[in-house]
Amino acid sequence: NAGVMQNPRHLVRRRGQEARLRCSPMKGHSHVYWYRQLPEEGLKFMVYLQKENIIDESGMPKERFSAEFPKEGPSILRIQQVVRGDSAAYFCASSSQDIRKNEQFFGPGTRLTVL
Amino acid sequence: LAKTTQPISMDSYEGQEVNITCSHNNIATNDYITWYQQFPSQGPRFIIQGYKTKVTNEVASLFIPADRKSSTLSLPRVSLSDTAVYYCLGGYSGAGSYQLTFGKGTKLSVIP
Repeated sequence: NAGVMQNPRHLVRRRGQEARLRCSPMKGHSHVYWYRQLPEEGLKFMVYLQKENIIDESGMPKERFSAEFPKEGPSILRIQQVVRGDSAAYFCASSSQDIRKNEQFFGPGTRLTVL
Repeated sequence: LAKTTQPISMDSYEGQEVNITCSHNNIATNDYITWYQQFPSQGPRFIIQGYKTKVTNEVASLFIPADRKSSTLSLPRVSLSDTAVYYCLGGYSGAGSYQLTFGKGTKLSVIP
């Protein structure tokens, strides 16, 4: 049973470009969470999705960031018109149960560098 | 919304027991408390989870008092490979929203 998969592992973009980060949850998991981790800082929650629905996006910046988890395919975190401050590690996690159980399995992360 | 609070760093010698305490005021009634471990350049890894009292697995123990306003992760006889950042995670509900909140993490350094 493969774990949570994220790709790409490393992504380099120039300012103003778009970044697309993909996350395939563990088999059988329908809950996906995205987190951002700035260098030397802790994990900050961004968004929680179930299939085709955004459940909680209270941690998402109001502009340029969006997330989806379609019926088929991976979850996508999209960052439009990237700026240097978007450089960070973005982690995806998935779970099979109600969010309040909080047992999440994390992927290896995508490290975004904005030049 | 309330937040979790934990020490920024801790040092320990090999073979000692390490206790890391996290405070989580206003945790939601039905929420579990979960601890994760993270090594550099890796995603966090689940360690242990509990609701109240004491939980033990092959890696650690978790102590949660009756009021559930805090929890303590206990690592017995740490080794150099336990050097990592440890996060406590609780969920909070309030004002009609639900937000997962990680603590800022405790950087544990194990000294030979």
